[in-house]
Amino acid sequence: EVQLVESGGGLVQPGRSLKLSCAASGFTFSNYYMAWVRQAPKKGLEWVATISTSGSRTYYPDSVKGRFTISRDNAKSSLYLQMNSLKSEDTATYYCARHTTHWGQGVMVTVSS
Amino acid sequence: DIQMTQSPSFLSASVGDRVTINCKASQNINRYLNWYQQKLGEAPKLLIYNANSLQTGIPSRFSGSGSGTDFTLTISSLQPEDVATYFCLQHNSWFTFGSGTKLEIK
Repeated sequence: EVQLVESGGGLVQPGRSLKLSCAASGFTFSNYYMAWVRQAPKKGLEWVATISTSGSRTYYPDSVKGRFTISRDNAKSSLYLQMNSLKSEDTATYYCARHTTHWGQGVMVTVSS
Repeated sequence: DIQMTQSPSFLSASVGDRVTINCKASQNINRYLNWYQQKLGEAPKLLIYNANSLQTGIPSRFSGSGSGTDFTLTISSLQPEDVATYFCLQHNSWFTFGSGTKLEIK
């Protein structure tokens, strides 16, 4: 069974950094593109980052480009999202996803002073 | 950017009813459209991929149709356990979600 478990969320001040982690199990992690998706409170879903199987290619929308970095460690079956220069509009539940097919339960990130 | 317009935003129906939810893309996305179900407090679950392919383990009362710009998710006979929010995702060009449909039982 595919399992994706996010961690690292919490309350952070604007302008600070936070790193999310996702532990994957139940599938061969290195064979799949992975992603992070977020949902702001009472708002829609937004795809925020994708990473290729080897990690050599990454993709971001303009809203987070230059501030967020997705990475992976295939030896540890782990996915990461480094979030820098955080803004209040980054407040959301962040989901780790095995591309478009499987999602984790999500972790809450609150950016507030 | 491709925009996805999902309707209705809220739906109330009786057990056994046929229910349809729609997503319209702002441009042609071929069949690159998925449907998901999200129950309260749970991770989103993939129901339908590439417009009309049923994900493994999903009941056959769920089906998807459409191509190009207009897509439909159909629940042929609504069950109490189908209470959830449903949303679409286009993955033809980057990724864009519909705004979601909250489904309740009358």
